[in-house]
Formats: sequence, structure tokens, C-alpha cells
Amino acid sequence: DAGVTQSPTHLIKTRGQQVTLRCSPISGHKSVSWYQQVLGQGPQFIFQYYEKEERGRGNFPDRFSARQFPNYSSELNVNALLLGDSALYLCASSSPRADTQYFGPGTRLTVL
Amino acid sequence: DAKTTQPPSMDCAEGRAANLPCNHSTISGNEYVYWYRQIHSQGPQYIIHGLKNNETNEMASLIITEDRKSSTLILPHATLRDTAVYYCIVRDGNAGNMLTFGGGTRLMVKP
Repeated sequence: DAGVTQSPTHLIKTRGQQVTLRCSPISGHKSVSWYQQVLGQGPQFIFQYYEKEERGRGNFPDRFSARQFPNYSSELNVNALLLGDSALYLCASSSPRADTQYFGPGTRLTVL
Repeated sequence: DAKTTQPPSMDCAEGRAANLPCNHSTISGNEYVYWYRQIHSQGPQYIIHGLKNNETNEMASLIITEDRKSSTLILPHATLRDTAVYYCIVRDGNAGNMLTFGGGTRLMVKP
């Protein structure tokens, strides 16, 4: 079975631009979570979506937003990019009955 | 903040058992202990989790002390491919999917 997939793999943007990252969960998984991992640190929770509704939000500014589609895929949007937004963005999915999260390979965002 | 404390780094000889400790002295009754690892900034890989009983799967064993204040992840026969950052995470089963990662332990398996 395919794991969590994310696109694109790498992305370079300039300050002030907007970016959209995409995630497809494991088949049958209805929950998607997003994490940001800055170099040298552990991942930090950004959002959780379940059945297209936001179920959790981490300590991130309103420039960060997300949504989940009827097929349970998800997008993470970041507006007005700052240099500090440069990071590995990770998506994780979990099934309704088991809370274990499985992570995708991540999208490496570089803001210049 | 992470509810766990792990040594920042450890070494292990190839073929030997790697024992990675984790302290979680403030753990409460409905909180699980999860272990993930991350290799070369790939996505974290789930290893194992437990509540109070010891657990074993094809990757590792998890030993949780009786008072649940600490645990040990055991990789029975470490290989070079086990070199990674290992994260011990305490997760509230009733608090949604948020995982709070700490600094983890960087395990270096040496030939």
C-alpha cells in the first residue's frame, strides 16, 4: 500500500510570496496533521484535520491555514512568507480507529 | 513543551543491542508512550507505542517501568541503517493527534 505522499518535494520561494503544499493520506485514513520542522529541531504541530474539519491548531500565526478535501487529501497554505518559514513541512495521517500517525517524506521549503 | 527527557546522543556497535532510555516522570494514566525515528531529515518513522505493558514488534521492543515514569526502546541487533534521531513522545489518548516532539536521541551505530 502507498504511504503518505507529499508534493512538491522541494520548493524555493522569496519573502512575501505565498505557498501551497499538498498531502495525500494513506488509503482509508481520514485524519491529516501538519508539522513544521526547522533545521536542528524536532517537528512542531501546526494543524489537525479530521473529516474536513479542523480538530487542532498549534501555536502558529494566521498566515498559516489548511483545508481537507472530500477525498481526505489536504493542503497547507502559508501567506506572506518570512525567512523563518524555511523548514521541512511534514504531513501525517491516521486511521479513525488507531491513533498512530504515519508521516510522509515532507516538503522542503526554502524562503530567500 | 515535550514531557520527555532523552540523552542527546548515544553510540552503539553494529550487531549489538541499542537501549535508548526515556524519562517521562509526569506521565498520567491515559497517556501513551510513542517512539519514532527520523533518518537524514526524512519523515519520522513510527516504531512502537505502549500504555503500561511491554510491547514488541518486528522493529523493536518497548519496556515501560511499573510506575510508568520511564521507558526503554530496545533495538535487538543494531545495524548501520538504524543510525537516526529517536524521539520518545508522551501522547494523551484523549487530546487528538498532536504529537509534541522533543530533541530526541541521536543514535550512531558504528561498525
